[in-house]
Amino acid sequence: DQQVKQNSPSLSVQEGRISILNCDYTNSMFDYFLWYKKYPAEGPTFLISISSIKDKNEDGRFTVFLNKSAKHLSLHIVPSQPGDSAVYFCAASARGSTLGRLYFGRGTQLTVWP
Amino acid sequence: DAGVTQSPTHLIKTRGQQVTLRCSPISGHKSVSWYQQVLGQGPQFIFQYYEKEERGRGNFPDRFSARQFPNYSSELNVNALLLGDSALYLCASSDGGRAGRELFFGEGSRLTVL
Repeated sequence: DQQVKQNSPSLSVQEGRISILNCDYTNSMFDYFLWYKKYPAEGPTFLISISSIKDKNEDGRFTVFLNKSAKHLSLHIVPSQPGDSAVYFCAASARGSTLGRLYFGRGTQLTVWP
Repeated sequence: DAGVTQSPTHLIKTRGQQVTLRCSPISGHKSVSWYQQVLGQGPQFIFQYYEKEERGRGNFPDRFSARQFPNYSSELNVNALLLGDSALYLCASSDGGRAGRELFFGEGSRLTVL
């Protein structure tokens, strides 16, 4: 039962353009959302997060948008750079759940080409 | 500052054997979580330990066990290995506070079961 879904396994974007990665969730108890980036042979690296009391959080080139009514969030990368090429995981934390437990999507492979 | 360190990085076992994986959290972090990542999927929660006590357990059989030591390092043990246990095993640490639920991951231990 996949409670966090990333329906696009891959995304290809030209350098300088915007990358938009999407994520949907089903559990209404999720109240904190995170994006991780993963390079081959490395562990996931935390990128940006958002609490359910907000609808937007920005950090440099990265912005996460949350639409609670649609149970949807997205990560925008502007401008995209070749070094952004990696697998991006959407993750969620549930209210009342153990703090070390995150629910991950299957990931989206982002490729940024020159 | 040292991040989360895991050992060994790679190992090969045969069916029926037992394996022990080790993790040292970021200095000051008291919470350690273990995740299993099978190829093509996102990380799946196995355990969380905080202050040496198990605080959460995912949907994994009793062949999986873990413990946390007084210095907050942790071991994950898997008995009676099956082919399906082949995966990347990730350890993550956090300070356990609710201010942020970000987890910081190590590079993982790649287990291959033959």
